[in-house]
Amino acid sequence: DTAVSQTPKYLVTQMGNDKSIKCEQNLGHDTMYWYKQDSKKFLKIMFSYNNKELIINETVPNRFSPKSPDKAHLNLHINSLELGDSAVYFCASSREQGNTEAFFGQGTRLTVV
Amino acid sequence: RKEVEQDPGPFNVPEGATVAFNCTYSNSASQSFFWYRQDCRKEPKLLMSVYSSGNEDGRFTAQLNRASQYISLLIRDSKLSDSATYLCVVTSLTASKLTFGTGTRLQVTL
Repeated sequence: DTAVSQTPKYLVTQMGNDKSIKCEQNLGHDTMYWYKQDSKKFLKIMFSYNNKELIINETVPNRFSPKSPDKAHLNLHINSLELGDSAVYFCASSREQGNTEAFFGQGTRLTVV
Repeated sequence: RKEVEQDPGPFNVPEGATVAFNCTYSNSASQSFFWYRQDCRKEPKLLMSVYSSGNEDGRFTAQLNRASQYISLLIRDSKLSDSATYLCVVTSLTASKLTFGTGTRLQVTL
């Protein structure tokens, strides 16, 4: 059983479209994250949720809207996709917020054309 | 100054060599420290936690120096399969996130 699973693995879409990425964890963790890894391979936090509540929104454009229906799920919806949104998006979860290790999903490679 | 800094490398070493990576962090309130490994086109995976007393896991040894705010990873007897990017990760309770360094790329060759 995959601990943190996200879908889809690959997403190719045109500029201006709206798309969603889903993430689920079966580890019973309280905290979930979205990270973005750009072409320079730098992993940057986008959002952090603890028990369905938004903790961090790291200056992400309003076009990105996370949704946590329960603490096992954290989905990411992106409106009006732009070329610069092309990246790998990783979902992750950790037992507590902030100071425990995180486990990552396999990533979603988003390409905007 | 970046919150977590690493030498990007690449470090090219022959099989069997010993290689060391360093990482510095800027937030003195940081509480937990980790090394992650990321293979090409894969997700980051936890390699080991880093404790104040230092810790060892097989060929891997991690050290933390809080006074100087740096973390190290030593890999002994390098294997081809150790080729990857090694990410230094720092967290703090107040920050509510894991902060990643840019990673150090290791290439082990025959």
